[in-house]
Amino acid sequence: AQSVTQLGSHVSVSEGALVLLRCNYSSSVPPYLFWYVQYPNQGLQLLLKYTSAATLVKGINGFEAEFKKSETSFHLTKPSAHMSDAAEYFCALYTNAGKSTFGDGTTLTVKP
Amino acid sequence: EADIYQTPRYLVIGTGKKITLECSQTMGHDKMYWYQQDPGMELHLIHYSYGVNSTEKGDLSSESTVSRIRTEHFPLTLESARPSHTSQYLCASSDRVVGELFFGEGSRLTVL
Repeated sequence: AQSVTQLGSHVSVSEGALVLLRCNYSSSVPPYLFWYVQYPNQGLQLLLKYTSAATLVKGINGFEAEFKKSETSFHLTKPSAHMSDAAEYFCALYTNAGKSTFGDGTTLTVKP
Repeated sequence: EADIYQTPRYLVIGTGKKITLECSQTMGHDKMYWYQQDPGMELHLIHYSYGVNSTEKGDLSSESTVSRIRTEHFPLTLESARPSHTSQYLCASSDRVVGELFFGEGSRLTVL
């Protein structure tokens, strides 16, 4: 069975501070991993994806994530938060079984 | 510019009404999905399809039904809506290889 755990349902940072959203996964086969972002009243959109190439993945809006197999982690970071980063963030896992597994989501709040 | 479209975006109806939520994609993806998302953020897979004439129930039991007569179209129907069906419904499609999901903007359903 595969699973995704996002540590911290709510994360609050000050504008300009480091953003760190944590994601751990469990999978019996090599996974593809994703971070999606959801703004209010919208669907999810892809931030970045790991597909077994480089372990450090860069995405849109200055976000990046590092795949660490030994720690089964895929944490999302951004060096300097912007007010426009406030949103819901979802980590997801996909294997060749054909379905995606999502974490419960993390709400990011950015304080001025 | 979205390649996956959902209509209506918002719908308020009375109990007992029949509703159909439309979802269309122009990417030629074989795989399509319906997720239900309540205010607590978690995404629950309620239906999926791996191609024309293929539909399966997802992880969360739902009274809705789906059909897949054409590759690009994956409508969801509720024969008799109830207040418990009030939620946001997200449609998505994915490519074959790495499972990246492309989401529509969602249909927010309120049943009075």
